Amino acid sequence: EDKVVQSPLSLVVHEGDTVTLNCSYEVTNFRSLLWYKQEKKAPTFLFMLTSSGIEKKSGRLSSILDKKELSSILNITATQTGDSAIYLCARGTGSNYKLTFGKGTLLTVNP
Amino acid sequence: EAQVTQNPRYLITVTGKKLTVTCSQNMNHEYMSWYRQDPGLGLRQIYYSMNVEVTDKGDVPEGYKVSRKEKRNFPLILESPSPNQTSLYFCASSLEGPNEKLFFGSGTQLSVL
Repeated sequence: EDKVVQSPLSLVVHEGDTVTLNCSYEVTNFRSLLWYKQEKKAPTFLFMLTSSGIEKKSGRLSSILDKKELSSILNITATQTGDSAIYLCARGTGSNYKLTFGKGTLLTVNP
Repeated sequence: EAQVTQNPRYLITVTGKKLTVTCSQNMNHEYMSWYRQDPGLGLRQIYYSMNVEVTDKGDVPEGYKVSRKEKRNFPLILESPSPNQTSLYFCASSLEGPNEKLFFGSGTQLSVL
C-alpha cells in the first residue's frame, strides 16, 4: 500500500532539547524520501534522501534513511522556538510522478 | 524572484458555483502538482503534470480538473464545488519531478458553503 506514517503526531519540548521525528513508508518502487517544514504557510524543503545510511545535515537539523527498516528520522538538536512547525515527510517512487505525504508531526518548542 | 504564485489566497463560495484557482511558476519547471491539506489528513495529491499537455491523477482527484496548456500555468478547476472540498490548497513545482525539491505556492484557503 502507498502509505507514509509519521510519529509522533505531536510533540512539545523545551528550548534546548533534542528531538527525533520518525517517518516510515511502505515501499513499492521507492525512489526518495523528502522532509519539509511547514510554519504558518507553505511547506519549505529540508532534505532529500535516496541512499541508506548517509546523513544529510543542515545546521542543527539532520536526517538519515534506513532502507532496510523502510524508515527515516529527522533530528533537531538544541531546539529553538523558531523550530516550532509541522514537519512533513514524503515518499516518491520511480514508477510514476506521485508524491505521498505523511500526516506530519506538529512540534512545539516552548521557551 | 523565483516563485510559485497562487490566486486567490482566500475564497468563499457556494455549492455548485464553478471556480478556478490559478497557479503560475517562473522557474521553467517541468513538474507541477496540486495538493489539498486537511486537519488530521495531511497533504494529499490531487493532480500532477509532468509537462505541457501531460497530466495525471493523484490520490484524491474526484471533483477536480486541471489543464496544462502552457509550461508556467497549472490551474485547478472545481466545476461544481461541494462543502467537502473546503480545504487549504497548495500548488507546487519542481524542475523535473517529485523526487527533488518542491517549491510551494502560498496556499488558497477555500470555503464552500
